Amino acid sequence: GQNIDQPTEMTATEGAIVQINCTYQTSGFNGLFWYQQHAGEAPTFLSYNVLDGLEEKGRFSSFLSRSKGYSYLLLKELQMKDSASYLCAVRDQDYQLIWGAGTKLIIKP
Amino acid sequence: NAGVTQTPKFRVLKTGQSMTLLCAQDMNHEYMYWYRQDPGMGLRLIYYSASEGTTDKGEVPNGYNVSRLKKQNFLLGLESAAPSQTSVYFCASTSGLAGSDTQYFGPGTRLTVL
Repeated sequence: GQNIDQPTEMTATEGAIVQINCTYQTSGFNGLFWYQQHAGEAPTFLSYNVLDGLEEKGRFSSFLSRSKGYSYLLLKELQMKDSASYLCAVRDQDYQLIWGAGTKLIIKP
Repeated sequence: NAGVTQTPKFRVLKTGQSMTLLCAQDMNHEYMYWYRQDPGMGLRLIYYSASEGTTDKGEVPNGYNVSRLKKQNFLLGLESAAPSQTSVYFCASTSGLAGSDTQYFGPGTRLTVL
């Protein structure tokens, strides 16, 4: 079966750095997405990786290792507004998105 | 440009009742999706549509039906609601499946079945 694993919850301090990991086992691979979802709202797109390596976008970076089936999302200079759930999703061989359960990130002052 | 909209935002049903959820997008996207999101679980695909007039089953289609008569609209029907269908339903759309083509989500419909 297809599976995506993420930690359920993480806590970090305002101004700090946090890394959210995602491991996956899917039927084929056609890219990995990270989405942000604030409580009670819709998911919104953060980043996309299809080749190994680091993609940087402002305070957010995403890393991919296809051989290890592993990705992480790195958030720098954390702000209170970064408190949200972060969803990892893999596009499989049929070009469908397989979703992880999400990581709830709590930011403390 | 409203993006993806969903109607209604909230609904309470009794077991056995039926209802239709409406999704509309104004981005001229080909692909549309219906997901459900439950606590502790990832988004699960109910049905999707690759073009006007076509639909396909996703991971959890039982108890639901869909129609896409117009390119901009994707309807999700619950034939006879059950408490197990209590969930948050999200509609999404995308222009394609290549590269970083991302899915855009509607605000969600929170459905409770008593």
